[in-house]
Amino acid sequence: QSALTQPASVSGSPGQSITISCTGTSSDVGGYNYVSWYQQHPGKAPKVMIYDVSNRPSGVSNRFSGSKSGNTASLTISGLQAEDEAEYYCNSYTTSSTPWVFGGGTKLTVL
Amino acid sequence: EVQLVESGGGLVQPGRSLRLSCTASGFTFGDYAMGWVRQAPGKGLEWVSFIRSKGYGGTTEYAASVKGRFTISRDDSKSIAHLQMNSLKTEDTAVYYCTRLVGNWFESWGQGTLVTVSS
Repeated sequence: QSALTQPASVSGSPGQSITISCTGTSSDVGGYNYVSWYQQHPGKAPKVMIYDVSNRPSGVSNRFSGSKSGNTASLTISGLQAEDEAEYYCNSYTTSSTPWVFGGGTKLTVL
Repeated sequence: EVQLVESGGGLVQPGRSLRLSCTASGFTFGDYAMGWVRQAPGKGLEWVSFIRSKGYGGTTEYAASVKGRFTISRDDSKSIAHLQMNSLKTEDTAVYYCTRLVGNWFESWGQGTLVTVSS
């Protein structure tokens, strides 16, 4: 099972908005509304930011939003803050050999 | 507050076995599916295994890379999930995270335990 495709890195200045894409296939991202996004700071455990494409868990800032179009899901972070600098991973349910597949990760740098 | 605490990691030689444990608290353990996700040094996340709640049959699933070598189990009376890892390979070296699943997302994560497979 190939990983979902994410850009290796994105960057933005404080206050700006950035979008991270996550491209899969009709067997995963495109076929189900089960995309989730995880934030991971160095040396820390991942933390869910978005689930089921566009839902935010309790306690997650509304600066984080998710969407999907066709086989590509997106995570948008508005009003960038220094604390948003981290690695971000997408994940999707899939009908391939295993139930879930992760993206390769995107390093967000806040300039 | 949901807490997941992994234990059992360490240095092990290739071909040997290791058992990881995940001790849960703060919720009714038996009501949830539990899983393991790993992260090799400097690499991304890889889903490893999960076990459904008894209410959904307690069935298990594995990533192709570990199928036949790893076994996940649960003891609802003790709120513990285990990952028995046999025939370990150097490529199994990673931080292993215990996770609580809600639907199709990984809602809570432990702090991770490092497994190093090396001679």
